[in-house]
Amino acid sequence: EAGVTQSPTHLIKTRGQQATLRCSPISGHTSVYWYQQALGLGLQFLLWYDEGEERNRGNFPPRFSGRQFPNYSSELNVNALELEDSALYLCASSLGLADYNEQFFGPGTRLTVL
Amino acid sequence: DQQVKQNSPSLSVQEGRISILNCDYTNSMFDYFLWYKKYPAEGPTFLISISSIKDKNEDGRFTVFLNKSAKHLSLHIVPSQPGDSAVYFCAAKHAYNAGNMLTFGGGTRLMVKP
Repeated sequence: EAGVTQSPTHLIKTRGQQATLRCSPISGHTSVYWYQQALGLGLQFLLWYDEGEERNRGNFPPRFSGRQFPNYSSELNVNALELEDSALYLCASSLGLADYNEQFFGPGTRLTVL
Repeated sequence: DQQVKQNSPSLSVQEGRISILNCDYTNSMFDYFLWYKKYPAEGPTFLISISSIKDKNEDGRFTVFLNKSAKHLSLHIVPSQPGDSAVYFCAAKHAYNAGNMLTFGGGTRLMVKP
């Protein structure tokens, strides 16, 4: 069974540009989570989607946004990129809204903002 | 405000000895705790978890201990093996968040020397 996949693996942008990161969850999973791991820091929760709806977002500015498609894949968009947005962006998926469903992580997208 | 903290950024242990990784939390509403392991260039993988109604959970070489009064949990790895060298994250789930959004600590890099 295929795991969570993310694309691209690496992404290099300049300040002010927009970045789009993609995530495909494990088949049958309806929830997708996005996390940011900046250098030297832990995983910071960004966004959670389930059944096409945004269920919650972390403490990030509105220029971080995303969506979930009918096939449960997801996009994370970061507008007006800033240098401090350089980080590893991890996507995770799980079964739906029931409690204590394990999150399975993808390998991440390394975003570098120059 | 870091609600989950791993105060040791790194830990070095000899092969065959015990590794003890520590995690502290401040939010008394957390009711489920998890440990994830992360190798370079890979996403975190689930290792072991514990519910707040328990004080110990064991899975092979891995044991997690929870001290609710101290708001402290620890992961014991016995015996440690070189393949255990990775970054370990503890994570916590809030009792009243639907789904399973996780709050992560900053991680501890474990190095097991042969």
